[in-house]
Formats: sequence, structure tokens, C-alpha cells
Amino acid sequence: NAGVMQNPRHLVRRRGQEARLRCSPMKGHSHVYWYRQLPEEGLKFMVYLQKENIIDESGMPKERFSAEFPKEGPSILRIQQVVRGDSAAYFCASSSDRGTLGLVSYEQYFGPGTRLTVT
Amino acid sequence: DQQVKQNSPSLSVQEGRISILNCDYTNSMFDYFLWYKKYPAEGPTFLISISSIKDKNEDGRFTVFLNKSAKHLSLHIVPSQPGDSAVYFCAASAIRTNAGKSTFGDGTTLTVKP
Repeated sequence: NAGVMQNPRHLVRRRGQEARLRCSPMKGHSHVYWYRQLPEEGLKFMVYLQKENIIDESGMPKERFSAEFPKEGPSILRIQQVVRGDSAAYFCASSSDRGTLGLVSYEQYFGPGTRLTVT
Repeated sequence: DQQVKQNSPSLSVQEGRISILNCDYTNSMFDYFLWYKKYPAEGPTFLISISSIKDKNEDGRFTVFLNKSAKHLSLHIVPSQPGDSAVYFCAASAIRTNAGKSTFGDGTTLTVKP
């Protein structure tokens, strides 16, 4: 499967625990994006990463949330001390370096998402 | 401040007819627009895009129209098929200033009735 992989697909955590969400981009893609979708809402941008760099984290809550995309391995979205309001579907997307305009490809390819439930 | 708005949460269309999904944006820096389709329990799938230098882009049954002066775009699906039933998201990017990042609308649920 050459698509974007996310795991786990479902994650249940109690309040105060940590949640780690993993994302493996498509082969050859070096740009990773994380989005959150709350019930009955659209996709909200959280963070944009390239290998070993955070490019834009303007959508990340200031506390408890962090993201990384190491040189080797998947991108990780980490939520510390989860609260009920963190319950949502978290989607990862990736894009390649070159698109139809010769610049960063703006078409993003999404994974199936991780559904986080905080009890 | 929601910069990309899809004012119709849902749309129901008969099979074979045209589906028109609308999207409005407020940020004049947006210069690249995309539509994604999403089925339940799956991630969004890229459908079609348009650059601000164009006013129309067509791909098979799907056509996207862009009206820059009105800051409005629409997705036309002709003819509509039951398999098109899904949530459709409009997204916008400011590629000159913020390459890669997309701002999404809240989505429109399309139901195509056989």
C-alpha cells in the first residue's frame, strides 16, 4: 500500500493520559500536514512539517500538543494530558516536492485518520 | 474568522442531474483552490483544483469555476451518480506566501438519489 498510513485507527485514552498518533507519508513525499476534525465540523489545520523541521504550527494549541517528523520514521502527533475536548478524528496528509506549477504540490493525500476518544 | 465558507451543509440531487456545490472565501491572498471528497471513516480524497490565473478547470464529470471578483468558487458534477454521495470540502491555499498550508471549509454533504 503506497498511500498515507496512519496508526492506530482508533485510540481510547483516559483523561490525563498521553496520546501518540503516527503518520507515514506516501513514498517520496517529504511534506506532512496534520488536521483535526471535531464532530460536525470541517478539517482544521494544525501543523505543517518537513523532514526534521516544523514549517507552520499556527493551528496547534499552545499547550499539550507537539509534532515531529524525524529524519527516519513516521511523523508523530503527541497530545499530553488529554482532555475530553481532544476527542476528534486526526488526519495526516502528505504532498510531494513538485506539482503542476513546478513548486510544492498543493494536492494533499490523506490517510484514513485516527479517531481519538477520551473517556 | 472562517476564511473559507461552505454555506450549504447538505445538498440532495436526483441521479443524472447536475450537482452544484458552492464555496466562498474572504482572504484575497488565496490563489489556489482545491476540492476534496470524503466518505465516512475514510480520509479526504483530492478531486480537482484550480489556480487563480484560471476561471475554469474541467476533469471528466467534474468542473470547478472560480469567480475572483466575488471570491466564490463552485464545483459542478454532471451527471451526478449515487457513488458521488459524500462530503465535499473546499480548500484554499496562498501559495505565494504560505506554500502547502490549506484552509478548509466545513463541508457539504451531497446525497445523490437513484
